[in-house]
Amino acid sequence: DAGVIQSPRHEVTEMGQEVTLRCKPISGHNSLFWYRQTMMRGLELLIYFNNNVPIDDSGMPEDRFSAKMPNASFSTLKIQPSEPRDSAVYFCASSTGLGTIYFGEGSWLTVV
Amino acid sequence: GENVEQHPSTLSVQEGDSAVIKCTYSDSASNYFPWYKQELGKRPQLIIDIRSNVGEKKDQRIAVTLNKTAKHFSLHITETQPEDSAVYFCAARVDNDMRFGAGTRLTVKP
Repeated sequence: DAGVIQSPRHEVTEMGQEVTLRCKPISGHNSLFWYRQTMMRGLELLIYFNNNVPIDDSGMPEDRFSAKMPNASFSTLKIQPSEPRDSAVYFCASSTGLGTIYFGEGSWLTVV
Repeated sequence: GENVEQHPSTLSVQEGDSAVIKCTYSDSASNYFPWYKQELGKRPQLIIDIRSNVGEKKDQRIAVTLNKTAKHFSLHITETQPEDSAVYFCAARVDNDMRFGAGTRLTVKP
């Protein structure tokens, strides 16, 4: 299995631009998670989906952030408009039911 | 929601010594406690986990203990090696909600 696949791996964008991060979970996994990692705040759970349905988005920092999972093999995290404080590594992860959570390689976002 | 506290934030040991990292959690419904290792620039990777019906689990040089009454769990690494140097995260999970501790940066000096 290729594991959790994220794109882009690196993105540099200007403040105010829209950013879309993409994730393909491991085939057969029915839970998908979006985490944000920064030095100051560590690993923060932003939102998670179960069977494509958002279960808890209380970690989404602001209305500028939105996430979708239109089908079992694809999810997006969108930031519009982006701000410099959004610079972070965004990890997507997936699991089966209550099994082990596997992380993707992350999307390194820099907003200038 | 769940709150996970992790200590220490940094830990430096000599090669061959043991390292212990401790975590506490707040939600007594948490039933799954994984530990992840993250090397610089890489993704967190699972190294060991324990479920709430078990008090201790060991895998070679790594062991984890769980005290459900006190709501704390610990990671023990014996005979540390320079390649153990990384950031280690504990986590606690209730259903599909998994929260991480702030991480411990472990440095093993040769």
